Amino acid sequence: AIRITQSPSSLSASTGDRVTITCRASQGISSYLAWYQQKPGKAPKLLIYAASTLQSGVPSRFSGSGSGTDFTLTISCLQSEDFATYYCQQYYSYPLITFGQGTRLEIK
Amino acid sequence: EVQLVESGGGLVQPGGSLRLSCAASGFTFSSYWMSWVRQAPGKGLEWVANIKQDGSEKYYVDSVKGRFTISRDNAKNSLYLQMNSLRAEDTAVYYCARDTRAFDIWGQGTMVTVSS
Repeated sequence: AIRITQSPSSLSASTGDRVTITCRASQGISSYLAWYQQKPGKAPKLLIYAASTLQSGVPSRFSGSGSGTDFTLTISCLQSEDFATYYCQQYYSYPLITFGQGTRLEIK
Repeated sequence: EVQLVESGGGLVQPGGSLRLSCAASGFTFSSYWMSWVRQAPGKGLEWVANIKQDGSEKYYVDSVKGRFTISRDNAKNSLYLQMNSLRAEDTAVYYCARDTRAFDIWGQGTMVTVSS
């Protein structure tokens, strides 16, 4: 099974900061990676798919990059509503799917 | 409005069974793969199972194989998860999600608690 290692597991930042979250796959997964945002008590929300394609309606301060085994999610200018937990998900082995462990983004 | 609404969660004893349902609306349900994803309290997301548009293909995470069965009824725009031989580690919020390789539509989730 393809394993996804997400880092850091938690991150403290301030409004206006630029932050980066990383996912590393245990084998090459081309660009078959998605990113989600989840707020407490809510369902996850799709932000990015195909490693770098922004889902409709998602603000442009979110961006994704990478291919193969290393991927990043960047939030260019943190807003208060961005403090949440972020997950990556690989679908290279589709229909079998795995998620990263999550990164909790907290207010400094 | 595109929507998924789960139901059927609750408290069940270890070894017991539960059937979850997911009602879809606002899109052509029969055109999409569908998945179940769960989240244990305070933990991350775990994909559980998915099913092809016509129900001819089904896949499961290893930890639920032989115990859980995913199914769908396209005439009723509904997705199901039959859960048997439930264990404490199956305690989680269960989400249904529209599966386009990424999960673009999610339900609100239904809580399953396995405890004596």
